[in-house]
Amino acid sequence: DIQVTQSPSTLSAFVGDRVTIACRASQSITSWLAWYQQKPGRAPKLLIYQASTLEDGVPSRFSGSGSGTEFTLTISSLQPDDFATYYCQQYNSFPLTFGGGTKVEIK
Amino acid sequence: QLQVQESGPGLVKPSETLSLTCTVSGGSNTRSNHYWGWIRQPPGKGLESPGMGLEWIGSIFYSGSTYYNPSLKNRATISVDTSMEQFSLKLTSVTAADTAVYYCARRVLSGGRVYDYFDYWGQGILVTVSS
Repeated sequence: DIQVTQSPSTLSAFVGDRVTIACRASQSITSWLAWYQQKPGRAPKLLIYQASTLEDGVPSRFSGSGSGTEFTLTISSLQPDDFATYYCQQYNSFPLTFGGGTKVEIK
Repeated sequence: QLQVQESGPGLVKPSETLSLTCTVSGGSNTRSNHYWGWIRQPPGKGLESPGMGLEWIGSIFYSGSTYYNPSLKNRATISVDTSMEQFSLKLTSVTAADTAVYYCARRVLSGGRVYDYFDYWGQGILVTVSS
């Protein structure tokens, strides 16, 4: 199985800050990585797929980069609506696996 | 607008079988709506907690073929009805460790290929395993 590790697990930031979340795969997944945002009591929402392609309707302040085993999700200017938990997911091979999540909190 | 809804019992006794249905509506019956997966998430500790991590259970292809997470040790079965509007999950011999919010979610069909990330999710259903 491909293990997916996110860091940090919790992040405190101010509105307007630039925020970066890291995701590392235990072996190369080329660009087969997605990012999701989840708020309490809600289903995850797709933000980015194929490592860097923004899903329709997702604000341009979100961006993804990386390939192989190292990936990042960046929020260029954190907005109040962005305080949530973020997950990465590899879809290079079965079983599909998710990172443990990064909770973005208000500082 | 595609609507996705999970349904089923919210309480299951240990050693019994968990059975859930995912109903899809509001979208055209195109092949893009024929690829689905089930994902679960143990509940969080409070209203402000997002819950623990996400675990993929399995996915079903248009052909009816399925792939499952080996961690479930052959306890999971995913099937689809002939109208392609309902998908089901059965999980046998449940224990307290199977207590979770269960989601069905759509896999992405693009350029004739299926990609295993998920663009539409149901709201989720909490299933508690307890006697």
